[in-house]
Amino acid sequence: QQQVKQSPQSLIVQKGGISIINCAYENTAFDYFPWYQQFPGKGPALLIAIRPDVSEKKEGRFTISFNKSAKQFSLHIMDSQPGDSATYFCAASKDRGGATNKLIFGTGTLLAVQP
Amino acid sequence: DAGITQSPRHKVTETGTPVTLRCHQTENHRYMYWYRQDPGHGLRLIHYSYGVKDTDKGEVSDGYSVSRSKTEDFLLTLESATSSQTSVYFCAISEGLGDGTQYFGPGTRLLVL
Repeated sequence: QQQVKQSPQSLIVQKGGISIINCAYENTAFDYFPWYQQFPGKGPALLIAIRPDVSEKKEGRFTISFNKSAKQFSLHIMDSQPGDSATYFCAASKDRGGATNKLIFGTGTLLAVQP
Repeated sequence: DAGITQSPRHKVTETGTPVTLRCHQTENHRYMYWYRQDPGHGLRLIHYSYGVKDTDKGEVSDGYSVSRSKTEDFLLTLESATSSQTSVYFCAISEGLGDGTQYFGPGTRLLVL
């Protein structure tokens, strides 16, 4: 019930294409869904996050789509660029980032954007 | 990396030896976390701290202990290192209240032979 399932494990996209990464969760108490981006040799960094009171959040080329009834959320990267090549992690937590904000991470997606 | 340093950045040790990893922050954030990252598992929480001397277990705490004697420092100790603890260890911090953002350090790559 605490798991967050992420797919695909790896993804190859052509420059200018759309990258889509999907995550699914089971615990309906989760109320905060961030995506983290990690470059080789670096720590993960927050990319974009959503709370379940909205169905979509967009920041530049990055969009989170959230389907509460299906308990799924996805990251869309529009006009993908070689500089977007990284590992992407979805995550979920409850407590609205309050007391402890223990994040449960997905297993990661390695994105390669080919020029 | 949001004012977070980890030391050492790389370490090779032998099975059965104790190992301590240090996380130091300059942000004065209340919450600190230790994660391990392994292929196919993503990031898994080992221990976390919600204040000085206040710590609790995470998902994969067996074989690990932590201490936090100052706001800025959070230590992770492997009491007796095993090969299964070979991993990349990340420290993270967050303000906590109303903001779920966790900021990660650069990581420590640990190899247990």
